[in-house]
Amino acid sequence: KQEVTQIPAALSVPEGENLVLNCSFTDSAIYNLQWFRQDPGKGLTSLLLIQSSQREQTSGRLNASLDKSSGRSTLYIAASQPGDSATYLCAAVFSGTYKYIFGTGTRLKVLA
Amino acid sequence: NAGVTQTPKFRILKIGQSMTLQCTQDMNHNYMYWYRQDPGMGLKLIYYSVGAGITDKGEVPNGYNVSRSTTEDFPLRLELAAPSQTSVYFCASSSAPDRNEQFFGPGTRLTVL
Repeated sequence: KQEVTQIPAALSVPEGENLVLNCSFTDSAIYNLQWFRQDPGKGLTSLLLIQSSQREQTSGRLNASLDKSSGRSTLYIAASQPGDSATYLCAAVFSGTYKYIFGTGTRLKVLA
Repeated sequence: NAGVTQTPKFRILKIGQSMTLQCTQDMNHNYMYWYRQDPGMGLKLIYYSVGAGITDKGEVPNGYNVSRSTTEDFPLRLELAAPSQTSVYFCASSSAPDRNEQFFGPGTRLTVL
């Protein structure tokens, strides 16, 4: 079964720390993987899309990497800020499908 | 350019009532999706559509129906609402899921009492 997993479910870090969020997927045959941010009571905002042919994508303080052979993606957040506090979700589109499979998310709290 | 819009934002239903959640996108995307999100959980796919007139079931389709008569609109119908359908519902769209981003609406928070 094609699944996406995110561990840990929750994470607290002090402000200024660099941190890594993890996303694992069960099938290496993916088209792409997308990272989202969700604030409490809000919808999902797209952060980064990384294609299967790419190793990483960057946007500001965010860097997403993709390792298909190990079934892993990581979202690196540099110099974290309290405003980064949110739930981060990843979603994969497996080859041969048009559906996004979501992980359950990592709830991040950055302490001032 | 409004993106993906959903109405209503909030709704309370009684058990057995029916309702339609509306979703519209103005980006001319062929692919549209309905998800539900329960507290502390990820998103579960209810139904999706690859173009006008074409729909298919996702992981959790029971108790729901959809139609796609136009590219822009993808309504979700709840028949005979049950407490298990209390959730937040998100609509999303994409031009090409194999290479482009998925964009989300703001969600509809539904409570069934």
